[in-house]
Amino acid sequence: AQSVTQLGSHVSVSEGALVLLRCNYSSSVPPYLFWYVQYPNQGLQLLLKYTSAATLVKGINGFEAEFKKSETSFHLTKPSAHMSDAAEYFCAVSDRKTSYDKVIFGPGTSLSVIP
Amino acid sequence: NAGVMQNPRHLVRRRGQEARLRCSPMKGHSHVYWYRQLPEEGLKFMVYLQKENIIDESGMPKERFSAEFPKEGPSILRIQQVVRGDSAAYFCASSPTSTASTTDTQYFGPGTRLTVL
Repeated sequence: AQSVTQLGSHVSVSEGALVLLRCNYSSSVPPYLFWYVQYPNQGLQLLLKYTSAATLVKGINGFEAEFKKSETSFHLTKPSAHMSDAAEYFCAVSDRKTSYDKVIFGPGTSLSVIP
Repeated sequence: NAGVMQNPRHLVRRRGQEARLRCSPMKGHSHVYWYRQLPEEGLKFMVYLQKENIIDESGMPKERFSAEFPKEGPSILRIQQVVRGDSAAYFCASSPTSTASTTDTQYFGPGTRLTVL
């Protein structure tokens, strides 16, 4: 069965520093992978997604993620953190064994940005 | 194009009452997914519906929970005889197709936060 782990439930970075949020997945089939961001008391917004095209995926707000099959990883990065990046980030994998998107979410990483 | 709409945004119920959560998908979207987010946890899949059909309800508790997506009107997630453990944020998402193609994805609503007293 598909699963997602996110190393570090809380990550703090200084404003302007590199953001690195880790995600590892388990899947028996080539996966679709996603990163979502959730601001307090709001729904989820898609940052980026991997659907077996280019392994380096660029998303919104300057975020990008690289699919590494050998490491079963899909880490999210941003070169320079902004205060507005403080939020909860969820990595997710799509269960492609079905003909529809049964998305399995990781537990989330809370990102704090220190001025 | 308006986004996915959910109402109410906040719902308070006493134990034993019924909770009814509504989700209006984006225009042109006929696929709806419901997720539950418990405090400090990620989202958990509950049910996937297409118009008038439940496709996958493997994530739904067997009792007290039901979902529908009628031909006309919003999708409804219904929780009967609520208990404190039902307190959570419930999100729905919609998509125009059933698969995450390069152009399609799930679009999430703002959620309904259910509190059971």
